[in-house]
Amino acid sequence: DAKTTQPNSMESNEEEPVHLPCNHSTISGTDYIHWYRQLPSQGPEYVIHGLTSNVNNRMASLAIAEDRKSSTLILHRATLRDAAVYYCILPRDNYGQNFVFGPGTRLSVLP
Amino acid sequence: DSGVTQTPKHLITATGQRVTLRCSPRSGDLSVYWYQQSLDQGLQFLIQYYNGEERAKGNILERFSAQQFPDLHSELNLSSLELGDSALYFCASSVGGDWGNQPQHFGDGTRLSIL
Repeated sequence: DAKTTQPNSMESNEEEPVHLPCNHSTISGTDYIHWYRQLPSQGPEYVIHGLTSNVNNRMASLAIAEDRKSSTLILHRATLRDAAVYYCILPRDNYGQNFVFGPGTRLSVLP
Repeated sequence: DSGVTQTPKHLITATGQRVTLRCSPRSGDLSVYWYQQSLDQGLQFLIQYYNGEERAKGNILERFSAQQFPDLHSELNLSSLELGDSALYFCASSVGGDWGNQPQHFGDGTRLSIL
């Protein structure tokens, strides 16, 4: 089982910011937090990853809590093309399994 | 376009058969990863190769095997196929072997249907 917890689904309005939460209370000190997304009928797509401090790239921002037990993926202005399943992943879960994709958060973007 | 190429896009075969899926990583990437995505199991990591050597193993069945060739392309071989092997198979690549702190770039997948 993945050691991250995400809401099953979220909705957002187009052109509004979206905050996708992830809990990872058992994270180890060296675990990077990764975010991927999967659009319908496509392979997963890398979004962002980080270790301690907040990270920004052209797609999104990643806000990491000071205790690293949670993080938030921020899409600054949602578009219809951002509708996807978003996965928050740690490199290894409690059972030593590598790169476990849980069910993720299904984001719907309303026009 | 991620730069990762998978062939074929679709494959239909029968139970008991053997198939080979092929993956060409992004230019400059030394690691290749294989994943299986089925409706009931979600996306599962199978195996990683780095510069020709097996680097990490996930939930890969004994009937499945993989290898990475000197030109860095990789093949996933699935044998004695069962109905439950029907799934999307994704290949991903990354620059280095430490998958913990670098992005993986995924191909569009091969859809395998077992009849």
